[in-house]
Amino acid sequence: DAGVTQSPTHLIKTRGQQVTLRCSPKSGHDTVSWYQQALGQGPQFIFQYYEEEERQRGNFPDRFSGHQFPNYSSELNVNALLLGDSALYLCASSSKHRLAKNIQYFGAGTRLSVL
Amino acid sequence: AQKITQTQPGMFVQEKEAVTLDCTYDTSDPSYGLFWYKQPSSGEMIFLIYQGSYDQQNATEGRYSLNFQKARKSANLVISASQLGDSAMYFCAMREDFYDKVIFGPGTSLSVIP
Repeated sequence: DAGVTQSPTHLIKTRGQQVTLRCSPKSGHDTVSWYQQALGQGPQFIFQYYEEEERQRGNFPDRFSGHQFPNYSSELNVNALLLGDSALYLCASSSKHRLAKNIQYFGAGTRLSVL
Repeated sequence: AQKITQTQPGMFVQEKEAVTLDCTYDTSDPSYGLFWYKQPSSGEMIFLIYQGSYDQQNATEGRYSLNFQKARKSANLVISASQLGDSAMYFCAMREDFYDKVIFGPGTSLSVIP
């Protein structure tokens, strides 16, 4: 049973560019959440997708957008990259089923460096 | 507003000893979940244990137990019989059922000494 998978593992971009990160959820999960983790800090919630719609959003600008596909996989897009966008981006999947307790399981992350 | 506080930036523990990592939270939602995650230097966030706000008993998972004191709004993680592989960052997190988004504390760095 594959866990949460993210790609790519590392990425280097320059300021002003656009980037797309990908996430495949754990088997049986229908919800995907994205987090940004700056060095030495806890993860910050970006947004959550369920039934192909953005359900919740954290305090991130519109440069951050996402998508969820019918197979529950998800993409995170960041436009007009800034140096401050350099971080580890974590994807987490969960199930809305009551018994699953909405526990989120994380992927290994994508480390984005903006030069 | 949701808030998680972890007051111990760094902790040291001797191998085979028990250690308690502190976590306090703030919420006005009566229904919520509390989580602990471990993040080794590799970066992956590993789920350890979950406690629901209406659970009557403290959660346990192997060597991990959660000391849940609802009135004090604390959810401390206890690791028994520490192992060298326990050295990592530990994050306390909370999800309010109304908003259904998870917020994390700043983390505690645990170092296990041989």
